[in-house]
Amino acid sequence: EAGVAQSPRYKIIEKRQSVAFWCNPISGHATLYWYQQILGQGPKLLIQFQNNGVVDDSQLPKDRFSAERLKGVDSTLKIQPAKLEDSAVYLCASSLDRAGNTEAFFGQGTRLTVV
Amino acid sequence: DQQVKQNSPSLSVQEGRISILNCDYTNSMFDYFLWYKKYPAEGPTFLISISSIKDKNEDGRFTVFLNKSAKHLSLHIVPSQPGDSAVYFCAARGSARQLTFGSGTQLTVLP
Repeated sequence: EAGVAQSPRYKIIEKRQSVAFWCNPISGHATLYWYQQILGQGPKLLIQFQNNGVVDDSQLPKDRFSAERLKGVDSTLKIQPAKLEDSAVYLCASSLDRAGNTEAFFGQGTRLTVV
Repeated sequence: DQQVKQNSPSLSVQEGRISILNCDYTNSMFDYFLWYKKYPAEGPTFLISISSIKDKNEDGRFTVFLNKSAKHLSLHIVPSQPGDSAVYFCAARGSARQLTFGSGTQLTVLP
């Protein structure tokens, strides 16, 4: 079974530029998450989708971050314009929505450096 | 407001001995608790979980204990192996199935 795919693996941009990340979840997983992990901290949830609807985006900085999940499969996360403090690893995860299934499966992440 | 806390940033253990990683939480509405392991340049991988209605779950060398009254859980690894060296994250699941993570503990198992 293929895992969660993310691209690119690494990205370096200047502040005020924009950037987009892509995620393809595990086939059949209805729930998709984007997490931000700053160095030395645990992953922080940015947004959670169920199919193509948003379940939770309370911690998404909506003035600069946006995300979409068209057709309930792939998702993109965009930052525009980027700030230095956005430097982090952006993790995508997916999970089944069935009783008894608890874990989310993570991709390898995209490491963003804003200079 | 950190709802999930891992107060030990690092832990070193001799190979063959027991590793105990600790986690505290504040939200009594969490219904599942999970442990993830993370190697450098990889995403977190699921290790073991426990429902809030249980106090122990065991899977091979890994056992998770939950003390609801103390809002505390721990992960025991015995015997510890050098390949267990990684960052371990505690996570708690909320009502909408979102996970809240602790800040992680770097475990180093010395040969």
